[in-house]
Amino acid sequence: EDKVVQSPLYLVVHEGDTVTLNCSYEVTNFRSLLWYKQEKKAPTFLFMLTSSGIEKKSGRLSSILDKKELFSILNITATQTGDSAVYLCAVVGNRDDKIIFGKGTRLHILP
Amino acid sequence: DTEVTQTPKHLVMGMTNKKSLKCEQHMGHRAMYWYKQKAKKPPELMFVYSYEKLSINESVPSRFSPECPNSSLLNLHLHALQPEDSALYLCASSQTALKMNTEAFFGQGTRLTVV
Repeated sequence: EDKVVQSPLYLVVHEGDTVTLNCSYEVTNFRSLLWYKQEKKAPTFLFMLTSSGIEKKSGRLSSILDKKELFSILNITATQTGDSAVYLCAVVGNRDDKIIFGKGTRLHILP
Repeated sequence: DTEVTQTPKHLVMGMTNKKSLKCEQHMGHRAMYWYKQKAKKPPELMFVYSYEKLSINESVPSRFSPECPNSSLLNLHLHALQPEDSALYLCASSQTALKMNTEAFFGQGTRLTVV
C-alpha cells in the first residue's frame, strides 16, 4: 500500500532558526513528490520534485529528493513567524492519479 | 491562471437537505480530485476524475455523489449527510498520469457543517 510518513509531526523553534522537515515514502511507480504549506484553508503548492539530487529553491525554502532512499527534505532557513503552518508532503504514482498525503508537520515559530 | 475556484466557501445544511459543492478550473487539467479534511488531519482522498471519468472512489459512502459535467467542472452532490461529515472539502486539479508532470493545485475549500 502506498504511504507517506512525515517527521517530526510537531516542531516549535524560535524565529531565525533553520528547520528541516522530513518525508519518506513508499509508492508504486513513483512519479513525483509534492510539498505544500497549509495555514487556514487550502494547501499552497511549494515544490514538485521528480529527480534525485536536484535542489529546488524558493527564497528561504529549499527541497531535495533522494529516490534511492525514498525520502525528501524541506529546509527553511532564517524562519519567520509567517512560516508557522502545517507542511504537507504528498506523492503521486504513475499507476493512477492518486495524490497521497502524509500527516503533515505542524511548525510553530516563536517570535 | 493557476486558480481552482470552489463554491460556496461555507455551507450549513441539515441532515435531510440536498446540496452541491462546485469546483472549477481553467488550466486545462484533466485530473480533478475531491478531498475531505478534518481539523488537524491531512487531506483524505475521496474521488479522482481523469478525463471526466471517475477513476478512483476511495470507498466513499453513497450520500456523497461526484459528477464531472465537463473538463473544467467538478461537483459533489450531498444528500442525507451526518454530523460527522462536517469538514473542509477541498477540490484539486492536475495533469493526468498520461501527461507531463505538473503541480496539483487546490481550491480554497468549502467548510461544511452538518446540523
